[in-house]
Amino acid sequence: DQQVKQNSPSLSVQEGRISILNCDYTNSMFDYFLWYKKYPAEGPTFLISISSIKDKNEDGRFTVFLNKSAKHLSLHIVPSQPGDSAVYFCAASERAQKLVFGQGTRLTINP
Amino acid sequence: DTEVTQTPKHLVMGMTNKKSLKCEQHMGHRAMYWYKQKAKKPPELMFVYSYEKLSINESVPSRFSPECPNSSLLNLHLHALQPEDSALYLCASSEVGSEAFFGQGTRLTVV
Repeated sequence: DQQVKQNSPSLSVQEGRISILNCDYTNSMFDYFLWYKKYPAEGPTFLISISSIKDKNEDGRFTVFLNKSAKHLSLHIVPSQPGDSAVYFCAASERAQKLVFGQGTRLTINP
Repeated sequence: DTEVTQTPKHLVMGMTNKKSLKCEQHMGHRAMYWYKQKAKKPPELMFVYSYEKLSINESVPSRFSPECPNSSLLNLHLHALQPEDSALYLCASSEVGSEAFFGQGTRLTVV
């Protein structure tokens, strides 16, 4: 039973445009959501998080939106840069203790 | 210093060997984690230590034995592993209830 789902295995975006990565979850007890970026053979790098009391959090080029009623969150990257090419994992948890990761989306930024 | 350091980076071990993976952080975090990541899969939680006490064990086989000697160190002792245990082992740390920071991982191959 996959509690966190990223339905797009890959996404290709032109440099300078907006990248939108999506994530759905099923467990209504999740109250903390995070996005990580991962390069091959490296550990995930924390990007941005949001708690369930908010519906938006912004940090520079990265914005995370949370729709609790739809159990859906998204990560917006604007403008997209070549260095953003990586695998992006959505993760969810109760009280930030036990992260459950989605399957990941490979983002490719084309020049 | 936002670094989690894992050693070794690569490890090849036989099925009868005993080895240990090490993890260190100096961010004053009181929660530390072990995750396992197989190829093309998301990281999966193995263990959580909170205030140096084991708080979560995700039904991990006893051939994996975690140890938290102090608040900065986390070890994973390996004994009698199987080839299917080959994976990237990730250590992470966090403030309790906050985002986790990951190390670079140890690429383990069991032969």
